[in-house]
Amino acid sequence: EAGVAQSPRYKIIEKRQSVAFWCNPISGHATLYWYQQILGQGPKLLIQFQNNGVVDDSQLPKDRFSAERLKGVDSTLKIQPAKLEDSAVYLCASSLVDWRRDEQFFGPGTRLTVL
Amino acid sequence: TQLLEQSPQFLSIQEGENLTVYCNSSSVFSSLQWYRQEPGEGPVLLVTVVTGGEVKKLKRLTFQFGDARKDSSLHITAAQTGDTGLYLCAGAMNRDDKIIFGKGTRLHILP
Repeated sequence: EAGVAQSPRYKIIEKRQSVAFWCNPISGHATLYWYQQILGQGPKLLIQFQNNGVVDDSQLPKDRFSAERLKGVDSTLKIQPAKLEDSAVYLCASSLVDWRRDEQFFGPGTRLTVL
Repeated sequence: TQLLEQSPQFLSIQEGENLTVYCNSSSVFSSLQWYRQEPGEGPVLLVTVVTGGEVKKLKRLTFQFGDARKDSSLHITAAQTGDTGLYLCAGAMNRDDKIIFGKGTRLHILP
C-alpha cells in the first residue's frame, strides 16, 4: 500500500515570496492533517480536514496560510507571504477517520527554508 | 506553556543498556500516543494508551500510562542502534480536542 506522498521534499525561498506544498493521502483515508515542525520541537497541528470539510484550523495563521482539499482527496497548503519564522518541516498525515481510533500515517515532509 | 513536557531532551547511551524516557503534564489526557521519528521522515506511531495505569509492551519497549492519566513513560530494554531517533509523545485532553505533541526526546544509541 502506498504511503502519504508529499512534494516538494525541499524548498528554499526568500521572505515575502509565496510557496505551496502538495499532499496525497493514503487511498480511502477520510481525514488529512497538516503539521508544522520547527527544528527542535514536536509537530504542531495547523489544520485537519475530514473529507473536504475543515475540522480544526485554530492554529493556522490565517493571515498568511491557507489550505484546501477540494475533492476530499489530495490537499495543498500555501504560505503567502512567507516570513523567516516559517522555516520548518511541513508534515502531512492521514487516517481512516480519527487519529484516536485509527493510526495516523505521516508523509516524509517538506523542508522549507525562508531566507 | 508546553502542555506535554518530555525528559530528558537528549540521551546518549551504549548499546545493550536500559533506558526510560518520560512524558509529563499537569493536565489529564484522555489518550496518549508515542511516536518515533527518524531524520528526514515523518513520525511513526508506536502505541496508544487510554486507560490510567495501562501498560503495553512492544518487543523491548514498555509503555506505561500513569494512574491519573497525567504522565507516561517509555522503557527500552537492551537498547539497539536501530532504536536511535526522536521519541515524541502526543495526546488530547478531551475527546474532541486536537492532538498536541511534546518536544521529544532525542535518543542516540552508541554501538
